[in-house]
Amino acid sequence: GAVVSQHPSWVICKSGTSVKIECRSLDFQATTMFWYRQFPKQSLMLMATSNEGSKATYEQGVEKDKFLINHASLTLSTLTVTSAHPEDSSFYICSARKGGNQPQHFGDGTRLSIL
Amino acid sequence: QKEVEQNSGPLSVPEGAIASLNCTYSDRGSQSFFWYRQYSGKSPELIMFIYSNGDKEDGRFTAQLNKASQYVSLLIRDSQPSDSATYLCAVPSGGYQKVTFGIGTKLQVIP
Repeated sequence: GAVVSQHPSWVICKSGTSVKIECRSLDFQATTMFWYRQFPKQSLMLMATSNEGSKATYEQGVEKDKFLINHASLTLSTLTVTSAHPEDSSFYICSARKGGNQPQHFGDGTRLSIL
Repeated sequence: QKEVEQNSGPLSVPEGAIASLNCTYSDRGSQSFFWYRQYSGKSPELIMFIYSNGDKEDGRFTAQLNKASQYVSLLIRDSQPSDSATYLCAVPSGGYQKVTFGIGTKLQVIP
């Protein structure tokens, strides 16, 4: 159990394009979902935490107008990178958690390349 | 002091040996502790979690928790080359809303 599906796996697009990434918990209801970014050979960096039906909480330095998060249901959260630029190229990973003391379960990640 | 500290490594062990990965945390109120494995280019996967002081065993993995010392470790017995990965320690805090990951320890198992 505790499967998290993330789509798409790879995105290559032109600078200025907006890209939407979906994260779904397939077999459980996720009270909280997390979005991370990871650059090569670096640590996971938490971007934002979202609870179903609430506005996301962004980490310091993460532009909420650039990285739009929607957590519309207990099984779906989306991250939209608006007007993406080459510096936004990274590995984006979502995770979902059933409840407070439960572990996070990660999606397979989305590799985003902006040309 | 960082909230969750790990030695970044690399930690090199010969095949068949025991690999010992360590993690310290700063929030004394933390109640749950997670270990994730991340292969290069992949997302993390949960391998162990522990809530109580003492040892918890699952196959070749043993998690050890000492809340008094604010220390959690992961032992991997009979290490295999396929265990070569980065191991992340994760600790919820602040009423569970926040989860802090350590920097991760890179493990290399030498055949």
